[in-house]
Amino acid sequence: DVVMTQSPLSLPVTLGQPASLSCRSSQSLVYSDGNTYLTWFHQRPGQSPRRLIYKVSNRDSGVPDRFSGSGSGTDFTLKISRVEAEDVGVYYCMQGTHWPPGFGQGTKLEI
Amino acid sequence: EVQLVESGGGLVQPGGSLRLSCVASGFTFSDYWMSWVRQAPGKGLDWVGNIKPDGSGKNYVDSVKGRFTISRDNAKKSLYLQINSLRAEDTAVYYCARGSQWLLDPWGQGTLVTVSS
Repeated sequence: DVVMTQSPLSLPVTLGQPASLSCRSSQSLVYSDGNTYLTWFHQRPGQSPRRLIYKVSNRDSGVPDRFSGSGSGTDFTLKISRVEAEDVGVYYCMQGTHWPPGFGQGTKLEI
Repeated sequence: EVQLVESGGGLVQPGGSLRLSCVASGFTFSDYWMSWVRQAPGKGLDWVGNIKPDGSGKNYVDSVKGRFTISRDNAKKSLYLQINSLRAEDTAVYYCARGSQWLLDPWGQGTLVTVSS
C-alpha cells in the first residue's frame, strides 16, 4: 500500500503569518490518465472533513485564495499565505491514485 | 445544496451487526460513485470502500473485506453499509461521501458506531 506521510504533525502558527504543510507519498501519485490524485481536506473539531484542494492544486469553490496546493510525483505542499483563526483544525492529505486510497496522519494547526 | 445524512449508528456488542444508511439530496445520486470512510475516536481517517453509480462494482479495503457490504438504492437516493461480525476496532464515526477516491466531496456529518460489551 502507498504510505502517506505528513509533516509536521503539529504546527503552531501566529495569526497573519504563513504556514506550510508537507505531504509525501511512498510511490508516485501520477495516474495512468495523467492526473495526480492528491487531495487536501480540513477537519475542524467536531466536524466532518471538508475538501480544500483536489488534483494537487485545484482549489474548491468557496475556499479562500490564501490556500494553495502544489507539488508533483511524491512530494506535495499545502500553503496558507496568512493564517486566520478559522483555519485551526487538522489537515489531511489523501492519495486516490492507487488502491487502497490512503490518508496521511494529519497535521494539527494550532494558533 | 448537496447534503448527505447518515444514520444507523449506535452501541452494538462484539460479533453483532449494523446497517448504516446515507440519504443524499441536492444532486443526481445515480450519476455518482459513493464512498464510506471511517474515523476511530481521536484518530485519523481510514477508507472503507466505494460503489459505482449503478451499483455494479464495489471496492473494499482488505481490513473489511468479507465483513462489510456496500450497497445503494438509486430510487431512494440512499447508500448503505452493512457491517457484520463487529469488532472493537470497528468503533468509529462512519462518513459517507460523494464520489470516489479520485474526487471525494462533500462528506456527511457521520454516524458513530461503538462496539462494546
